[in-house]
Amino acid sequence: KAGVTQTPRYLIKTRGQQVTLSCSPISGHRSVSWYQQTPGQGLQFLFEYFSETQRNKGNFPGRFSGRQFSNSRSEMNVSTLELGDSALYLCASSSSGQGYEQYFGPGTRLTVT
Amino acid sequence: EDQVTQSPEALRLQEGESSSLNCSYTVSGLRGLFWYRQDPGKGPEFLFTLYSAGEEKEKERLKATLTKKESFLHITAPKPEDSATYLCAVLIQGAQKLVFGQGTRLTINP
Repeated sequence: KAGVTQTPRYLIKTRGQQVTLSCSPISGHRSVSWYQQTPGQGLQFLFEYFSETQRNKGNFPGRFSGRQFSNSRSEMNVSTLELGDSALYLCASSSSGQGYEQYFGPGTRLTVT
Repeated sequence: EDQVTQSPEALRLQEGESSSLNCSYTVSGLRGLFWYRQDPGKGPEFLFTLYSAGEEKEKERLKATLTKKESFLHITAPKPEDSATYLCAVLIQGAQKLVFGQGTRLTINP
């Protein structure tokens, strides 16, 4: 099976702009979660989608939003970018089974200047 | 507040020198504990899931164990290719999200 894919892999944006990141989960996985990883804060949970519905949300401002499509692909959007949004954004997918193992993609490295 | 703490922050070993990484947690209800390996510039790679105290899982030179308060990742006779950051995460009862520790950066010198 192909793994989780994320596009683009690298992105440079200017403060105030908005950005959309894309994630394609492992085939058959219906849950997609997003995380932000920074050297200071580590991996922090953004939100999780299952069957196009947001099931859980982390403590991030409303500028961070996401959605999931009927084919389980997901996008996250960050509006009005700030310098502090520079990070590695990771997407993880899992099946809906008991194990709940999350499998991560390679991430999108976002740099805000 | 749910919290996961990993120690040490960094560990440098000689090839073949066995050691253990610690992950302690304070959570309202544990549904599962996960170990991941992360190489620089890459996403975390899933290693193990542990569900109940006393459980153990093994994979090559790695063995993960779980108690009611902490988990250990034992590495036996490590090789340079085991160098990576090892992350511990817990899944909280009633919440569909992982809470991660800060990781242990492991370096194995040849």
